Amino acid sequence: ETGVTQSPTHLIKTRGQQVTLRCSSQSGHNTVSWYQQALGQGPQFIFQYYREEENGRGNFPPRFSGLQFPNYSSELNVNALELDDSALYLCASSSDRGNEKLFFGSGTQLSVL
Amino acid sequence: LAKTTQPISMDSYEGQEVNITCSHNNIATNDYITWYQQFPSQGPRFIIQGYKTKVTNEVASLFIPADRKSSTLSLPRVSLSDTAVYYCLVGDFGGNQGGKLIFGQGTELSVKP
Repeated sequence: ETGVTQSPTHLIKTRGQQVTLRCSSQSGHNTVSWYQQALGQGPQFIFQYYREEENGRGNFPPRFSGLQFPNYSSELNVNALELDDSALYLCASSSDRGNEKLFFGSGTQLSVL
Repeated sequence: LAKTTQPISMDSYEGQEVNITCSHNNIATNDYITWYQQFPSQGPRFIIQGYKTKVTNEVASLFIPADRKSSTLSLPRVSLSDTAVYYCLVGDFGGNQGGKLIFGQGTELSVKP
């Protein structure tokens, strides 16, 4: 059984650019959640995808968007990058949207200059 | 989701038992208590979950008093590899809410030789 994998592991962008982060969910999981973790803080919920549909969103602006594919992998897209978007972006999968036992990947470290 | 309060940091020595207490005074009847562990440069990892009394698994024990307004995560005989941030989360994660975890700042545990 493969765990949650994220790519890339590190990324450097400049303000105003767009970025796409990718996540492969754990085998058998149909739900993917994305979190943003600033340095020294706990992860903050961005949104969740369940069977290719957005299933809830945290307090993030519309320039944060996502997709989930038929194989349940997912993408997080961020447009018009701002300096404050610099953070660790974590993807987590679960066996169902009602399951709070999440399996997290190691994250993508995004730096916006 | 109920707000939680836990110590910012704790120090311990190898071989000691460590108890991390979390306060959640406004916990609701349907809320469960869940703990996650996070190592540097990794995503959080599910440790344990409980509703009342005591829960034990191969990693930790969770003690919840009758009024459920607090909980204590107990790590027996810690080692250096238990140095991590520990998050206490409280919420009704069933139904549609499973992946929408609300993380606080967590407790940074430092285990010394």
